[in-house]
Amino acid sequence: DTGVSQDPRHKITKRGQNVTFRCDPISEHNRLYWYRQTLGQGPEFLTYFQNEAQLEKSRLLSDRFSAERPKGSFSTLEIQRTEQGDSAMYLCASSLQQMANEKLFFGSGTQLSVL
Amino acid sequence: DAKTTQPNSMESNEEEPVHLPCNHSTISGTDYIHWYRQLPSQGPEYVIHGLTSNVNNRMASLAIAEDRKSSTLILHRATLRDAAVYYCILSSGNTGKLIFGQGTTLQVKP
Repeated sequence: DTGVSQDPRHKITKRGQNVTFRCDPISEHNRLYWYRQTLGQGPEFLTYFQNEAQLEKSRLLSDRFSAERPKGSFSTLEIQRTEQGDSAMYLCASSLQQMANEKLFFGSGTQLSVL
Repeated sequence: DAKTTQPNSMESNEEEPVHLPCNHSTISGTDYIHWYRQLPSQGPEYVIHGLTSNVNNRMASLAIAEDRKSSTLILHRATLRDAAVYYCILSSGNTGKLIFGQGTTLQVKP
C-alpha cells in the first residue's frame, strides 16, 4: 500500500492560466474524491468518481473546473482561466466501495497559489 | 447531510487523556459517526467510526451516547504528535462522501 499520491505538491501560476493536477489512488480502490481546502476551513467536497464514472459534482465546481478518471485508475483535475480565489489546497482521496462505512484515504494535497 | 457541532479548540497536556466532544442532535438511524484528523500540512486521516456501540482501536476510543445525539473521541494518552484538527462527521455510507465541518483544533502541551 503506497497510499494516495498527488502531483505536484505545489503549483504557482498566474491568473488566467490553466493548471492540471494528478491523483493516483490506492490501486484496488474504485472510488476517488476531490476536495478543496482553504486556510482555517475544513475540506470542501468537489466531486467523486466510482470507477471511471463521475457520479456527483458539487455546486462549488464551476464550469472552469473539470475532472476525469479515464480508465478508473488515476484522476486529473483541471482548472481553466485560474482566478485568485482558486488558491487553495486540492486534496484527493480514494476508497474501496463497501456496503457501509468506507474509509477514505487522503493524499497530501496540491497547494495552488494564483498570483 | 446531518450537521455536527464541535468546539473550535481544546488544549491538553502531554500523556493525559483527551475527550473531544461532538454533538449531532439531528442524526438519523442510518448515520455512522466518523472521526478523521488532519495533521499540519497533511491530508485528513481516518481515526475511528461507529454506529451505536462504543468502539476501540489502536488510535482511540469512540463513546456514543445512548440516544446517539452526541459522541466523544477519547485519546487515552495524548502525545505531541496528536496535535491536529479533529473532525466529527456523519455519513449514511451510500457514497462514501464525507462533509467536513470546522473541526476541533487540539493543542498538546509538553
